[in-house]
Amino acid sequence: DAMVIQNPRYQVTQFGKPVTLSCSQTLNHNVMYWYQQKSSQAPKLLFHYYDKDFNNEADTPDNFQSRRPNTSFCFLDIRSPGLGDAAMYLCATGWTGSNQPQHFGDGTRLSIL
Amino acid sequence: QKEVEQDPGPLSVPEGAIVSLNCTYSNSAFQYFMWYRQYSRKGPELLMYTYSSGNKEDGRFTAQVDKSSKYISLFIRDSQPSDSATYLCAMTQTGSARQLTFGSGTQLTVLP
Repeated sequence: DAMVIQNPRYQVTQFGKPVTLSCSQTLNHNVMYWYQQKSSQAPKLLFHYYDKDFNNEADTPDNFQSRRPNTSFCFLDIRSPGLGDAAMYLCATGWTGSNQPQHFGDGTRLSIL
Repeated sequence: QKEVEQDPGPLSVPEGAIVSLNCTYSNSAFQYFMWYRQYSRKGPELLMYTYSSGNKEDGRFTAQVDKSSKYISLFIRDSQPSDSATYLCAMTQTGSARQLTFGSGTQLTVLP
């Protein structure tokens, strides 16, 4: 019954080794978001897609990239992870045609060795 | 000053208590208000979603919005240990999937 699915749930990578996190959705929403959430903090928006239109937040490090090959899937690429990138990464979806709120996945917890 | 301020907690209450969680905000353009519940190691789950000032009730949960005071609340009646989680308030200027502005969250523990 899951609507926003993130894989993997837990990811461990080495300092500097590229990593990709994935998100898929069954809601057919046209907007997809990536958030970073560190312990005891609010989610921080990294970027989002309106359809294929990519929107980067001003303070998102260049180290973070995203791809959206189709409506259902979105990827977060971290090119050279640093220790400060250890966090929970949340994917969310939304629909511009309604006033409905965003739906979140369960996140991927990323650890950096 | 943050756009959204949320009581930091942590908050511990006995089972059956009425819980009040609150947020204040400074941007009068916010129109849509949400409460998300987040269990440990899970994503935020939408609890309540409101637009206008006033109260909205859903089971044991009541969301209250006072736009004139820029203040929102979530009340939990007959609290249960399963309500133990972090509660995030969030708001947006429009409802059309625009960027959410979150509070920092209140960690709630309901003791059996």
